[in-house]
Parts: sequence; C-alpha cells; structure tokens
Amino acid sequence: DAGVIQSPRHEVTEMGQEVTLRCKPISGHDYLFWYRQTMMRGLELLIYFNNNVPIDDSGMPEDRFSAKMPNASFSTLKIQPSEPRDSAVYFCASSWGGSNVLTFGAGSRLTVL
Amino acid sequence: QKEVEQNSGPLSVPEGAIASLNCTYSDRVSQSFFWYRQYSGKSPELIMSIYSNGDKEDGRFTAQLNKASQYVSLLIRDSQPSDSATYLCAVIGKGNNRLAFGKGNQVVVIP
Repeated sequence: DAGVIQSPRHEVTEMGQEVTLRCKPISGHDYLFWYRQTMMRGLELLIYFNNNVPIDDSGMPEDRFSAKMPNASFSTLKIQPSEPRDSAVYFCASSWGGSNVLTFGAGSRLTVL
Repeated sequence: QKEVEQNSGPLSVPEGAIASLNCTYSDRVSQSFFWYRQYSGKSPELIMSIYSNGDKEDGRFTAQLNKASQYVSLLIRDSQPSDSATYLCAVIGKGNNRLAFGKGNQVVVIP
C-alpha cells in the first residue's frame, strides 16, 4: 500500500482565495482524521470521520473550514476564504478503528500571504 | 488545562545516554496512550503504545504509564543521533477515537 496520500504538498495562496486539500486514506481503514500543526499550537485535531461520516468536528476553527468524505477513498478539507493565520501544515491520517493507531500522510504545507 | 501537556523544553543528551520524556493528561478516563516521533519536516510516526499501568519495553524504548497520577513517560536508552527528533505524546479518551496530542519535546542527541 502506498500509505496515506495527500495533495498538494505545498500551497501558496493569497488571502481571500479558496484552498482545497485532498487526502486518500489507506485502503481498508475506516477512520480518517484531519490535523493542523503550527509551532504555537502543536498538532490540533480538526475533524474525524468514521465510515465516511463526520463524527467530531469540534476542532474546526470556524465556518470558513469545511471537510467532506464522499467515499471511503477520498476526503477534502476546504478553506474559504483563506486568511494568513491559516498558514500551517495540514495532516491527514487514517486508521483501522480497532487499533487507534494512526498512519499520517506527508502533510500539505499551506502558506497564505 | 490542556488535554495533553508536555512542558519540558528541548532536551540535549550525549550519545549513549538515556533520554527521559514526560507527559501529563487531564482526562482521568483516558484509556490509550501513544508516543509518536516526528523528524523535522516529516509526519509523525508511531513508536510506542501503552494501555495498562506499568512499563512496556520495545527495543531501546520504554513507555511508562501511571493512571493514578495521569502521566506517561518515554525512556530512550543508548540514545543515538538518529533519535534526534520531536516526540509527541498522544491520548485517546474512553469511548471515542479522538486522539489528542501534546506539543511535543525536541530531543537532540549529541555525538
């Protein structure tokens, strides 16, 4: 298996633009997590899905953020409109529910100017 | 109070020494505990999990859990330069799959 695949790896955009981050989890994993990592706040859980259904989105910072999982092999995290304070590394991770062991993707580094 | 706290600053240890990292958590009913390692510019990777009070050893790594005191620790014996990384403590509460991370402790092993 190729692991958790995220795209793009790097994104530089201007304030106000829409940003879409993509994730393909490991085949057979039924949980998918979106995290954001910054120096100041560390690794924060934004939202997680189980069997494509959002379970806990309490970490989503505000309405500008949205996440979807239309099928078991694809998820998106969208920021609209983006702001400079959204600059961070966004990680997607997946796991098989019984294990609670997460496998992380390589991350998407977002810079909002 | 943060869910998971790692308060120590960067830790420098000479090669071959023991590195000791500590972590406390706030949710008394937490059930599962993990240590992840993150190299600079890379993603976190799991190195240890522990579920019961006491010690768990895996190679040069030992995780220690004390639920009564709500802390988890990680010992790295015979530290190697390749152990230089940030170590993240993570905790899952009872009845959910919400993995909360501490901010991490940077370890630098000096040859």
